[in-house]
Amino acid sequence: DVKVTQSSRYLVKRTGEKVFLECVQDMDHENMFWYRQDPGLGLRLIYFSYDVKMKEKGDIPEGYSVSREKKERFSLILESASTNQTSMYLCATSQGIETQYFGPGTRLLVL
Amino acid sequence: RKEVEQDPGPFNVPEGATVAFNCTYSNSASQSFFWYRQDCRKEPKLLMSVYSSGNEDGRFTAQLNRASQYISLLIRDSKLSDSATYLCVVNVYNNNDMRFGAGTRLTVKP
Repeated sequence: DVKVTQSSRYLVKRTGEKVFLECVQDMDHENMFWYRQDPGLGLRLIYFSYDVKMKEKGDIPEGYSVSREKKERFSLILESASTNQTSMYLCATSQGIETQYFGPGTRLLVL
Repeated sequence: RKEVEQDPGPFNVPEGATVAFNCTYSNSASQSFFWYRQDCRKEPKLLMSVYSSGNEDGRFTAQLNRASQYISLLIRDSKLSDSATYLCVVNVYNNNDMRFGAGTRLTVKP
């Protein structure tokens, strides 16, 4: 069974803070993704990575950066959190182009 | 126009009912299609892939209509446990670029 864990389920931060969200997977999957999910908008891809130290921008990368130093770990960084980054953040992994497996999500509130 | 569009619902149906959801996609080059299920405050999980010939998994049937660019999900004999949001997902170029619909919420009532 694939296990994808995220560092926090709930997070409250202040505007301007630097925020780190971590995702860890235990299945040796090549691909890892960060999405945000907002009501009425569905999941939108922020960044993805297909290998260690490799990253590709998704649809909404502005205000975010990522880091993948090890295969099992993919971090999302909000350089300077803003209120419009309040959202549910979901990490996912996949092997090839098959099923994506999601972590439990992090609900981030930026005040 | 959104790349993947779904009726947001909510669909409220009694136990035992048959319910169908449609999803339309805008890019005719789309290659693969999926339905995911997301329970309240949980992560999405794959329900089923959608094949050109249509496919069935127990009470669930998925169909693809490439000419009209839509996919459908039919749930027969609805159970209370089917209550969830159903996400339509389209992979345009058979790569990692999955496009998610906003989801259709289903509530099955006793």
